[in-house]
Amino acid sequence: AQSVTQPDIHITVSEGASLELRCNYSYGATPYLFWYVQSPGQGLQLLLKYFSGDTLVQGIKGFEAEFKRSQSSFNLRKPSVHWSDAAEYFCAVGAGGNEKLTFGTGTRLTIIP
Amino acid sequence: GAVVSQHPSRVICKSGTSVKIECRSLDFQATTMFWYRQFPKKSLMLMATSNEGSKATYEQGVEKDKFLINHASLTLSTLTVTSAHPEDSSFYICSARPTGAHGYTFGSGTRLTVV
Repeated sequence: AQSVTQPDIHITVSEGASLELRCNYSYGATPYLFWYVQSPGQGLQLLLKYFSGDTLVQGIKGFEAEFKRSQSSFNLRKPSVHWSDAAEYFCAVGAGGNEKLTFGTGTRLTIIP
Repeated sequence: GAVVSQHPSRVICKSGTSVKIECRSLDFQATTMFWYRQFPKKSLMLMATSNEGSKATYEQGVEKDKFLINHASLTLSTLTVTSAHPEDSSFYICSARPTGAHGYTFGSGTRLTVV
């Protein structure tokens, strides 16, 4: 069965500092990997996704993620965070097609001035 | 881009009543939609997969008689919480994948409070 681990429940970063959110997955085949962001009381917005090809994926809002098969990881990065980046971030894995997604437990990001 | 509209965004109902939540794909057709439940400060738990024109597929532990799913058209799936109780209070989110796309689009969620 597929699974996703986000080891960090809560991360606090100063505005302007760099950010890395960790995600490890377990999946038997080549995974479809996603990062979503959720603001309080809102739905999920797709930041970026990986299916194949270049292992460094660029997303919206200046985010990027790198797929590392050897480490079963798909960490999310941003070189300089903004106060508006404060939210909950979810990593997810799926099989593609119309298969369901399995989500990690999320990482709450707090930005301090 | 692909948009999934979910309605209502918030609903408060009395214990014992039923509540219907709608999930619409506005600019694409979706043969499959997914319903998730999110507890406070928790991740999303898949409840069921809604299939157009056929029965929904429920995840283990989800009561299909309590959470009725109907996917009568290619753009609409509904989740009805029947005989709601306070423990059904939660945030419900639907999602769908446009044909040919690799990403899933999520609705904005419905906050259900049962009093």
